[in-house]
Amino acid sequence: QVQLKESGPGLVAPSQSLSITCTVSGFSLTSYGVHWVRQPPGKGLEWLGVIWGDGSTNYHSALISRLSISKDNSKSQVFLKMNSLQTDDTAMYYCARGGLDYGYCFDYWGQGTTLTVSS
Amino acid sequence: DIQMTQSPASLSASVGETVTITCRASENIYSYLAWSQQKQGKSPQLLVYNAKTLAEGVPSRFSGSGSGTQFSLKINSLQPEDFGSYYCHHHYGTPWTFGGGTKLEIK
Repeated sequence: QVQLKESGPGLVAPSQSLSITCTVSGFSLTSYGVHWVRQPPGKGLEWLGVIWGDGSTNYHSALISRLSISKDNSKSQVFLKMNSLQTDDTAMYYCARGGLDYGYCFDYWGQGTTLTVSS
Repeated sequence: DIQMTQSPASLSASVGETVTITCRASENIYSYLAWSQQKQGKSPQLLVYNAKTLAEGVPSRFSGSGSGTQFSLKINSLQPEDFGSYYCHHHYGTPWTFGGGTKLEIK
């Protein structure tokens, strides 16, 4: 059964860096892409980036200088790293699988992990 | 980047009614448009991809249409479980972008 689960620090101080892990099960990271999406409190969804099965990556244009997505196929983990955090980075962060049978759209989502950027 | 404009931002409707949500892309995305539903406090769920193809398990009262720059999601005979927020996003190359969302509330 396909599952994704995010884990992160919860609270980070402004100007610091963030690392969130998405641990997956039920599928291989070499076959599927994994996307990162965030949602500020009370607001809409924002696509952050994707790491494809072959390890290539694509990023949100405005965040490309601050974002890095990587993975460890053997551990079934995908990592989101973001630097120079500001208060408007406060959001729920989701990882989602890109379904091969769904035009690579998000067929499974994690439950999300909340990040608060505050001093 | 491709901009996605979704309307209306909010919508109030009664059980049994039919509603339509629209999404406009800033450039031609052919049929690479998806719709997702999000209920309060939950992760989003895929409803439609490739503009009109229903994801597995999605009830047939949902339908997607459109191509190019204009798209719509129609929900026939609204059910209580249909209330929540709806988002379009394109999947035509990267970066992907979402519409601003539509909050569908019970009248």
